[in-house]
Amino acid sequence: AQSVTQLDSQVPVFEEAPVELRCNYSSSVSVYLFWYVQYPNQGLQLLLKYLSGSTLVKGINGFEAEFNKSQTSFHLRKPSVHISDTAEYFCAVRPNSGGSNYKLTFGKGTLLTVNP
Amino acid sequence: EAGVTQFPSHSVIEKGQTVTLRCDPISGHDNLYWYRRVMGKEIKFLLHFVKESKQDESGMPNNRFLAERTGGTYSTLKVQPAELEDSGVYFCASSQAGRTYFGPGTRLTVT
Repeated sequence: AQSVTQLDSQVPVFEEAPVELRCNYSSSVSVYLFWYVQYPNQGLQLLLKYLSGSTLVKGINGFEAEFNKSQTSFHLRKPSVHISDTAEYFCAVRPNSGGSNYKLTFGKGTLLTVNP
Repeated sequence: EAGVTQFPSHSVIEKGQTVTLRCDPISGHDNLYWYRRVMGKEIKFLLHFVKESKQDESGMPNNRFLAERTGGTYSTLKVQPAELEDSGVYFCASSQAGRTYFGPGTRLTVT
């Protein structure tokens, strides 16, 4: 079984400031890791994912995340945020085996609010 | 290409009533998932279809929930009778070749 912990339920920041949204996971098997974003009144959208290879993953809208296996973390970062980044961000994992079962386990989400 | 669509976007019903949520996956996607987010909690897996067959329904809360996928195309999730704790946002997702796409969700409010 897997579990995902997002340490901050809300993160307020000012525009153009850097931001880090924290995610830690627990799993008895190897996993793939994901960050999804949900903008107001929209569905979940994939921001980035780590499957293998380089531990630094770049996603859309200038976000990046670093996979740290020893610390079982996958923190999301952006060096300079915009008002339009205001959204809820979800960290998720799924086993990297299992055929066609792509069941995701999510964290509780972090609401990022960017203020002018 | 159309994305995953869900209907309705919002539903407000009284306790004891029945509600049916619909999901239309991306055309050609064999895998279809239902997830639910109760307020303040994480998004939780409900079940997984491969074509018309239920592959994994371990996340279904109880027998008041019934999911079907007619002919391996669209899916419905029926809640009968609805209870207060069923309120939340129900997401549908479809996947193929390792990529999962989510719908906008149906916000269900049971009063």
